[in-house]
Amino acid sequence: NAGVTQTPKFRVLKTGQSMTLLCAQDMNHEYMYWYRQDPGMGLRLIHYSVGEGTTAKGEVPDGYNVSRLKKQNFLLGLESAAPSQTSVYFCASSLGMETGGLETQYFGPGTRLLVL
Amino acid sequence: RKEVEQDPGPFNVPEGATVAFNCTYSNSASQSFFWYRQDCRKEPKLLMSVYSSGNEDGRFTAQLNRASQYISLLIRDSKLSDSATYLCVVPNAYNNNDMRFGAGTRLTVKP
Repeated sequence: NAGVTQTPKFRVLKTGQSMTLLCAQDMNHEYMYWYRQDPGMGLRLIHYSVGEGTTAKGEVPDGYNVSRLKKQNFLLGLESAAPSQTSVYFCASSLGMETGGLETQYFGPGTRLLVL
Repeated sequence: RKEVEQDPGPFNVPEGATVAFNCTYSNSASQSFFWYRQDCRKEPKLLMSVYSSGNEDGRFTAQLNRASQYISLLIRDSKLSDSATYLCVVPNAYNNNDMRFGAGTRLTVKP
């Protein structure tokens, strides 16, 4: 099992450009998450999904959109990138039992994004 | 007050030392807590879950003090491989799917 994978690993964008980050998991997990991590701050939840076809906003959703068309994939889109979106982006997944998110989250290796 | 606060460190300790980190949280209704470990430029990985007063796993002990709203992580007999950043995680007060991460405590174990 590959676990959680993310593409690309690194990307440089100019202000105003768009891009999509792809997250894939092969563990048949129901829940998937997108976080960003900035220096001196904890990981902050951008959006999450509790199942195929569902998405919900997290703590810092502005400037991002997501889609979960297939259970194994969770896409994060930046429509018009801004320098404030320079960050490391982590995707995670969890089993998704009755306890909801109160369980182990498995993270991908991260995507480093630089917006100039 | 931040939802989850940690001493950023760094903590520099010799091999074999015992070291403890604290994490304070603001959500008094939280029932579950987590410690994740993050190596430099890597993804976080679960270290321990804490559902009651505490949990122990080998050299690692997590303790919960609900009255004072803090969680501690104790590492005994530190190894070089314990060098990492330790993240405290607490569910959001209104949404268990929204986990709140502390900024992390950095530990360096030296020979």
